Formats: sequence, structure tokens, C-alpha cells
Amino acid sequence: AQSVTQPDIHITVSEGASLELRCNYSYGATPYLFWYVQSPGQGLQLLLKYFSGDTLVQGIKGFEAEFKRSQSSFNLRKPSVHWSDAAEYFCARDQYGGSQGNLIFGKGTKLSVKP
Amino acid sequence: EAGVVQSPRYKIIEKKQPVAFWCNPISGHNTLYWYLQNLGQGPELLIRYENEEAVDDSQLPKDRFSAERLKGVDSTLKIQPAELGDSAVYLCASSRTGDNEQFFGPGTRLTVL
Repeated sequence: AQSVTQPDIHITVSEGASLELRCNYSYGATPYLFWYVQSPGQGLQLLLKYFSGDTLVQGIKGFEAEFKRSQSSFNLRKPSVHWSDAAEYFCARDQYGGSQGNLIFGKGTKLSVKP
Repeated sequence: EAGVVQSPRYKIIEKKQPVAFWCNPISGHNTLYWYLQNLGQGPELLIRYENEEAVDDSQLPKDRFSAERLKGVDSTLKIQPAELGDSAVYLCASSRTGDNEQFFGPGTRLTVL
């Protein structure tokens, strides 16, 4: 079965510092990969997605992610974190492959931002 | 464009009671999903609808959970009877058919006492 692993449960960074959140996915046919953000009491908001093509994907709010097939990774990055980025971040991949839509989520990484 | 609407936002019930959650997807989105999110976990798919048809309900515990989407728009998820372990957030999401981008509602937080 497909799976997604987010090794870091909680990360704290200082405002203005760079950020990298790790995500590893189980091997399979070209995965559809996603990063979502969830603020307290809110639903999930899509930050970015990767289906094919350029392995460096730009998203909203200044986030980017890089797909590395050799490492089965899809890490999320931001060069300078803002206090408003404090939230929980979820990496996800397609369950069956293709456009059927079922997603498998990681357990999430909670991001705290120090002033 | 209005987002995915869910109600109620919070629900507290005693065990063995029934409970229902309602979801209104984004207009034009034929695919609707119900997810369960336990504390400290990522969402887990319960059921996926294409229009009014449940095309994947393999993760739905059918002994106590049921769902419907009679007219292919709104959907209701029901639990009867609820158990303590059902305390979680129930998320609804929608997407255009064949599009992997899902839009999520704010969820319903269920507490079973």
C-alpha cells in the first residue's frame, strides 16, 4: 500500500529563518504529490502539487518543493518564514495513481515560529 | 466562489447516540470526499463520491457509518451508534471530476462522551 512519511512531528524556527519540511513517499508509478497547510480550526489549503515536468514546484505563500525520485522525497521549503506560517503541514500522494483523487496523507509536521 | 461548507462545526454527544454531518461542496464539483482526521494524524479517506455514486467506500466502517449524496450535490455522513473512539474531526472535500486538486471544508469536530 502507498504511504507517506513525515519524519518531523514538530519543528520550531525563528521568524526570517529558512524552512525545510521533509516528506518521503512510498515508491510507485509517477506519484502525484501535494503539500497542504492546516491552520487551527481550519480546513486544509493546498500549497502546491507535483504531477510531472519540472521537479522544482512553486506554490502559494512563497513555498516551493522539490521532487527527488532517487530519494523518494518531496520536501517543502521556504527561504524566509513569517509568523503567519505557524500551522500544521501535510504531505500527501495519490492512493491509486492517476487522476482518481484518493489521497494518502502523512501524519503532519507542526510548525512553530519564534519571534 | 464559496468554499466547501460543513455543519455543524462542533458536536458533542454521548456514546451510543446517533450523529450526522452535512457537507455542501463547491458548485460544479462532482467529486466529494469524506475524511476522518484523528488528533495528531493526517486525514484518512472514508468515502468518495462521483456525483451520487459512492465509487470508493472501502475505508468506511459500514457497521456504524453510512453516507449519502442523493442528488449528487450535498452529502450527509452518519454514525449510529457513536463510540468513544469516533471522537475526531470529520472533513469534507470536493474537486472537479478527474482533477486531483481537492478543496477542503473546515471540518466538524465530534466529541463523544
